[in-house]
Amino acid sequence: GAGVSQSPSNKVTEKGKDVELRCDPISGHTALYWYRQSLGQGLEFLIYFQGNSAPDKSGLPSDRFSAERTGGSVSTLTIQRTQQEDSAVYLCASSLNTLKPQHFGDGTRLSIL
Amino acid sequence: AQSVTQPDIHITVSEGASLELRCNYSYGATPYLFWYVQSPGQGLQLLLKYFSGDTLVQGIKGFEAEFKRSQSSFNLRKPSVHWSDAAEYFCAVVPTGGGNKLTFGTGTQLKVEL
Repeated sequence: GAGVSQSPSNKVTEKGKDVELRCDPISGHTALYWYRQSLGQGLEFLIYFQGNSAPDKSGLPSDRFSAERTGGSVSTLTIQRTQQEDSAVYLCASSLNTLKPQHFGDGTRLSIL
Repeated sequence: AQSVTQPDIHITVSEGASLELRCNYSYGATPYLFWYVQSPGQGLQLLLKYFSGDTLVQGIKGFEAEFKRSQSSFNLRKPSVHWSDAAEYFCAVVPTGGGNKLTFGTGTQLKVEL
């Protein structure tokens, strides 16, 4: 069956530009998570969505980062006015609910020039 | 402070040898515990998890892990390593009542010598 799908797989952009990263979770999974993996900081939680509840944004590093999840399915992570320190792999995961293990996509590698 | 520690950044073993990757956690109550593996350019794959009950947990690909409350450890083991096991391994926790937000250790890079 289909796993978690992320697009694009790679993104190169100039400093100051906005970027959008997309995540398509496993069908039927109500919980969706975003993590960031960088050389300096390792794997960090960013945000998660559970059903229709307000998202937990406690891991977002600045107000340049935002995410939405439309229709309880696809999610978009947006980074405005990108900085070089935003260069990282952005991983999305989904789970059946918050009591079940998370399944990860292959990530989007973001490079800021 | 709450933390997850993987003391070994790199480990090299010979194919066929046994493997143990260490993970220690520092939380007030025992968290939920996980091991994930990441191959280059790939996402994270769940190897095994511990929520409660039997302290020896069996996972995929021949891996197992043992939860030891007295040592606050959850070490990953494999009796005989295959070359295809070369990857990065992450221990992760979710604090009980933590809303399923994974906190990861820094990872252990495993190299397998043929």
